[in-house]
Amino acid sequence: QLQLQESGSGLVKPSQTLSLTCAVSGGSFSSGGNSWNWIRQAPGKGLEWIGYSYHGGSTYYNPSLKSRVSVSLDRSKNQFSLKLSSVTAADTAVYYCARGYCSSASCYDYLWDVWGKGTTVTVSS
Amino acid sequence: DIQMTQSPSTLSASVGDRVTITCRASQSIANYLAWYQQKPGEAPKLLIYDASSLQSGVPSRFSGSGSGTEFTLTINSLQPDDFATYYCQQYNNYSPTFGPGTKVDI
Repeated sequence: QLQLQESGSGLVKPSQTLSLTCAVSGGSFSSGGNSWNWIRQAPGKGLEWIGYSYHGGSTYYNPSLKSRVSVSLDRSKNQFSLKLSSVTAADTAVYYCARGYCSSASCYDYLWDVWGKGTTVTVSS
Repeated sequence: DIQMTQSPSTLSASVGDRVTITCRASQSIANYLAWYQQKPGEAPKLLIYDASSLQSGVPSRFSGSGSGTEFTLTINSLQPDDFATYYCQQYNNYSPTFGPGTKVDI
């Protein structure tokens, strides 16, 4: 069954770029209409969707983060990545990668049925 | 953005209880509403989508209802494994948002 695993820098300095990768195992990007997403959760706070990319390469981002975010797929490595630039302490959070859900009838860009375990990123000098 | 609210923020219950959580949207979202369960240190788990459709593998004691701006999640006969935080999430537009969560504890 499909599994996702986040990796990347756990400590990022203010104003720098946060970079994370999500390794996909037990499946691939090439099949289906799933979106590939990043979602975060600040300490003690709720969940915030960051953005997604499709296997076809199209992307869509949370308008509040759009100017700083990039999500990309690497089909050769079966992984997808997140870059968030000009980070501040407000970007400190647990970052999850997640797959968009497809039922037998349709695919949903904004529902997520498979999640990684999450990785903690702290923004601090 | 569509704002989501949940009530109560914390709910104390016992095994075997019937529990109801309410979620409200700041504008109509039709039935584009999902519920997730999250346990400490874990990722959220999709329970219900389209307001009332049970995700595969989720026990039938979970049910959802509602449309427009008001929705409910009901857990019949609460089990020990159900003590967790529950989030509602709307996906009516291109900017999905979550509620602040309801913690169900003993």
